[in-house]
Amino acid sequence: GQQLNQSPQSMFIQEGEDVSMNCTSSSIFNTWLWYKQDPGEGPVLLIALYKAGELTSNGRLTAQFGITRKDSFLNISASIPSDVGIYFCAGQINNQGGKLIFGQGTELSVKP
Amino acid sequence: SQTIHQWPATLVQPVGSPLSLECTVEGTSNPNLYWYRQAAGRGLQLLFYSVGIGQISSEVPQNLSASRPQDRQFILSSKKLLLSDSGFYLCAWVSVSGPSYEQYFGPGTRLTVT
Repeated sequence: GQQLNQSPQSMFIQEGEDVSMNCTSSSIFNTWLWYKQDPGEGPVLLIALYKAGELTSNGRLTAQFGITRKDSFLNISASIPSDVGIYFCAGQINNQGGKLIFGQGTELSVKP
Repeated sequence: SQTIHQWPATLVQPVGSPLSLECTVEGTSNPNLYWYRQAAGRGLQLLFYSVGIGQISSEVPQNLSASRPQDRQFILSSKKLLLSDSGFYLCAWVSVSGPSYEQYFGPGTRLTVT
């Protein structure tokens, strides 16, 4: 079945640094989504990407839908302590009930 | 605006006891609904999804079942819980009225089977 490889698994950075994480797959996706999950809560949608090559920003977050439609990355600029959490990528193949394939997550720790 | 609720927030149940977790969505009609399980703070495993009342698709064989008695209500059940059923259960919904399939998650239910 389809799988998403998300990397890195974890990151320990200093406040103010930029962060980059990515997801790759052997399958083609029509939509890429990025979520953030705080401890004990449900994931929150950060950015949704619908077209190959699309670059979308949400505040300090920027995500891109790869040209091959098999990958996506998320960048966080000037990290702050509240960026701490687990970030998930998710890919969607249409006509399958809206089901998502999730990456395993990137756990981000920010040192003040 | 749309909101999604999950009940209860936390639950501690003994092995062999029954389970019923509820998910309700407000502010939308005919959503697709999903149940996920998340173990130990990592990946989300899709358990069930539903595209309409009474329509349930199971993704993995397991000790759980799901039902959708009303358009905006999704229930996760078990007749006899196992230790391995412990985890964080998340419900999600998708509006299928537009071109996108963005999933929105509820706050989750933490289940501990003892």
